[in-house]
Amino acid sequence: DADVTQTPRNRITKTGKRIMLECSQTKGHDRMYWYRQDPGLGLRLIYYSFDVKDINKGEISDGYSVSRQAQAKFSLSLESAIPNQTALYFCATSDTTDPRYEQYFGPGTRLTVT
Amino acid sequence: GENVEQHPSTLSVQEGDSAVIKCTYSDSASNYFPWYKQELGKRPQLIIDIRSNVGEKKDQRIAVTLNKTAKHFSLHITETQPEDSAVYFCAAPSREGAGSYQLTFGKGTKLSVIP
Repeated sequence: DADVTQTPRNRITKTGKRIMLECSQTKGHDRMYWYRQDPGLGLRLIYYSFDVKDINKGEISDGYSVSRQAQAKFSLSLESAIPNQTALYFCATSDTTDPRYEQYFGPGTRLTVT
Repeated sequence: GENVEQHPSTLSVQEGDSAVIKCTYSDSASNYFPWYKQELGKRPQLIIDIRSNVGEKKDQRIAVTLNKTAKHFSLHITETQPEDSAVYFCAAPSREGAGSYQLTFGKGTKLSVIP
């Protein structure tokens, strides 16, 4: 779905470095999410935002922070990356008024921390 | 919050056979149950969903059934084809503050269809 984009798509970084993953959407949705995906562990929610002034921690927020710069932009930061943060990261959006709560995912960012 | 359990974690079937993936949920107030499919290297996408006021919903070769009493729902794929090979996630809404909801996902089932 080209309406939700993520940058970068792939990133290799070293332990201790700060890194930011960015998500943009043109769907006009108010809700945005960050997930990480690890084999066998499914999609685990890191942070979510229901509007620009609302930020909430998810299941695994330790070691991460987020910023909702505008309705269309939601960034995820790793202040000091560690190897066990190596994973596939997805951004997603949804519309509060959608009775299906359907989430639209970005293409993912593969992050490797060495 | 909602707790969603999904089984099995991996499933291999011969092409043409049926596949069934099961999920259980904990919140009896949950009323909507979607399934997402993630093909290799792709993003998850919604493929079918069911609301709590019906027991079964079909869309061509895929169907979802819901048992509210037992709090479980299942994805059924008939006449499986190689393109059905993917990871499938079930989900259920968990209630947040002020009546808003968000999805809680199961851990996923990797389905392999053997030609």
